[in-house]
Amino acid sequence: EDQVTQSPEALRLQEGESSSLNCSYTVSGLRGLFWYRQDPGKGPEFLFTLYSAGEEKEKERLKATLTKKESFLHITAPKPEDSATYLCAVQAYRDDKIIFGKGTRLHILP
Amino acid sequence: DAGVTQSPTHLIKTRGQHVTLRCSPISGHKSVSWYQQVLGQGPQFIFQYYEKEERGRGNFPDRFSARQFPNYSSELNVNALLLGDSALYLCASSLAGVAGDTQYFGPGTRLTVL
Repeated sequence: EDQVTQSPEALRLQEGESSSLNCSYTVSGLRGLFWYRQDPGKGPEFLFTLYSAGEEKEKERLKATLTKKESFLHITAPKPEDSATYLCAVQAYRDDKIIFGKGTRLHILP
Repeated sequence: DAGVTQSPTHLIKTRGQHVTLRCSPISGHKSVSWYQQVLGQGPQFIFQYYEKEERGRGNFPDRFSARQFPNYSSELNVNALLLGDSALYLCASSLAGVAGDTQYFGPGTRLTVL
């Protein structure tokens, strides 16, 4: 069964303290791995799509990487406005369903 | 350009009632997907439509149905509402709905069933 596990469930950091969020997945034939940011009560906001192991993408203070078993979202020198829930999702070749993890709640303290 | 829009924003219903949620995709996008998100969980796939045809269905009961119109907008219908149907309902649109296509989400409709 396809599965996505995100860790940690919650993370509190001081402003400027860099860290990484983990997304472990099991899927038969990964077609794409997606990262989203979600603010409370709002829809997920697209961040990155990764397609193959070794691929990396960056946007401002965020950098996403992909291996054959997991993806990392690295946050460099975070600011309070980076506080949100970060969702990871995968899509297999065989169908169009996107499977989400439960997310990591990130809180950046000023 | 306008993103994905959903209506209504909030909705309160009682058990046994029926509800219709609406979604307009990003201009040029032909595929719409629906997700249910309960508090503290990630979104769970309900349906995907492309060119008015159902392309995928998640593990939801037959009380849930959807359709896509010629202008690519979509409706999600839920019959015989249960307390457990209370959730944020998200609509996402993508260009062609093919595997690997990025999905862009709307703000969601918060449904409360009393």
